[in-house]
Amino acid sequence: QKEVEQDPGPLSVPEGAIVSLNCTYSNSAFQYFMWYRQYSRKGPELLMYTYSSGNKEDGRFTAQVDKSSKYISLFIRDSQPSDSATYLCAMSGGVDSNYQLIWGAGTKLIIKP
Amino acid sequence: NAGVTQTPKFQVLKTGQSMTLQCAQDMNHEYMSWYRQDPGMGLRLIHYSVGAGITDQGEVPNGYNVSRSTTEDFPLRLLSAAPSQTSVYFCASSNYPTGWGGDYGYTFGSGTRLTVV
Repeated sequence: QKEVEQDPGPLSVPEGAIVSLNCTYSNSAFQYFMWYRQYSRKGPELLMYTYSSGNKEDGRFTAQVDKSSKYISLFIRDSQPSDSATYLCAMSGGVDSNYQLIWGAGTKLIIKP
Repeated sequence: NAGVTQTPKFQVLKTGQSMTLQCAQDMNHEYMSWYRQDPGMGLRLIHYSVGAGITDQGEVPNGYNVSRSTTEDFPLRLLSAAPSQTSVYFCASSNYPTGWGGDYGYTFGSGTRLTVV
């Protein structure tokens, strides 16, 4: 079983829809949680990060962490065709794991105009 | 433009050949790392460095060597290429020595697509 599980998709939704992307994890020591966006043939870029549990909002994007369920989510409101990309979750246990990131395999998102 | 530059973008090697993937950053980042990305596997850490002269192994180091003689450069050497090393390789850097990224995250290069035949 992988430490971080992420549905590879593809997830196809119409423009303007609310998108929900999720990751589950098994290591209760994880406390730093990140979402990266990766366009085709490009490197990943940081989209959101949260520390411990709770929500964080940035424009159309909201990141949620539920440590009791070992579950993190990324919500995209008013989705746009430019949001079409692969979304990777990443997490770390911090100093105890030498801050190394464990990555999900990524979910491919397609926003249809 | 500031960022992480990887060369070459594409490479085809024959089994047993060696080569060096180049990575350079101009942001004065202390932390640099190499990942490989395979379908369904996510990013896996090969080697990383927390500063010039300091390197360490990641999750999948076998078959790869690194060195860090300057802050800017972090080359990855394939010693004797094998088909299992066919992958997309990404170099990343961060201004946090411990590498967790925080608000700034990792800055990634555009990748090197390597095929070993």
